[in-house]
Amino acid sequence: SQQGEEDPQALSIQEGENATMNCSYKTSINNLQWYRQNSGRGLVHLILIRSNEREKHSGRLRVTLDTSKKSSSLLITASRAADTASYFCATDEDSGAGSYQLTFGKGTKLSVIP
Amino acid sequence: DAGVTQSPTHLIKTRGQQVTLRCSPKSGHDTVSWYQQALGQGPQFIFQYYEEEERQRGNFPDRFSGHQFPNYSSELNVNALLLGDSALYLCASSSWTGVFYEQYFGPGTRLTVT
Repeated sequence: SQQGEEDPQALSIQEGENATMNCSYKTSINNLQWYRQNSGRGLVHLILIRSNEREKHSGRLRVTLDTSKKSSSLLITASRAADTASYFCATDEDSGAGSYQLTFGKGTKLSVIP
Repeated sequence: DAGVTQSPTHLIKTRGQQVTLRCSPKSGHDTVSWYQQALGQGPQFIFQYYEEEERQRGNFPDRFSGHQFPNYSSELNVNALLLGDSALYLCASSSWTGVFYEQYFGPGTRLTVT
């Protein structure tokens, strides 16, 4: 089963506007990451935020994390047509013994209209 | 430097058949994870290989098995294929950054079971 749930499932905006996507999760985490996927291809890592961080920036991306609400948001500013993709949040849980797995949400499909 | 590569790109199989998918990790990575992504869903963790052994496994039946070779490349085998096995299969290799495991995903293999 999947831990994260993104909201909204789909988002359509005009080029230049900001896009905000939300993610909720269920268990305690070490880190939360956001990935982008173009047309059912491989996933591209965008940004990671650690459980003890509240906000992080990378270029036009801004991620927030609220561990008390078990939620995160991804803001893409000044969107471009090339930002059209599906966006997933992924959480990791420390399962010990050095093993590591990501648990993904269902994703938000973003369409940026030129 | 080549990233994660997967083969084949696409595959069509008949129900009941067996399939083998292949993955070559990014140079310097020794850990390989496999994920299944059904249409419209986020990736789900299948299992992870490290030092030629299965280190962790997700909630998948024994029909799903894998192997890691001394050069760190990996195979995913699925026996007795079901229609529900149709999905994009993603391979990810990882390395420890000192803070988190940075995972690099391949482009995936699209499996269609008819």
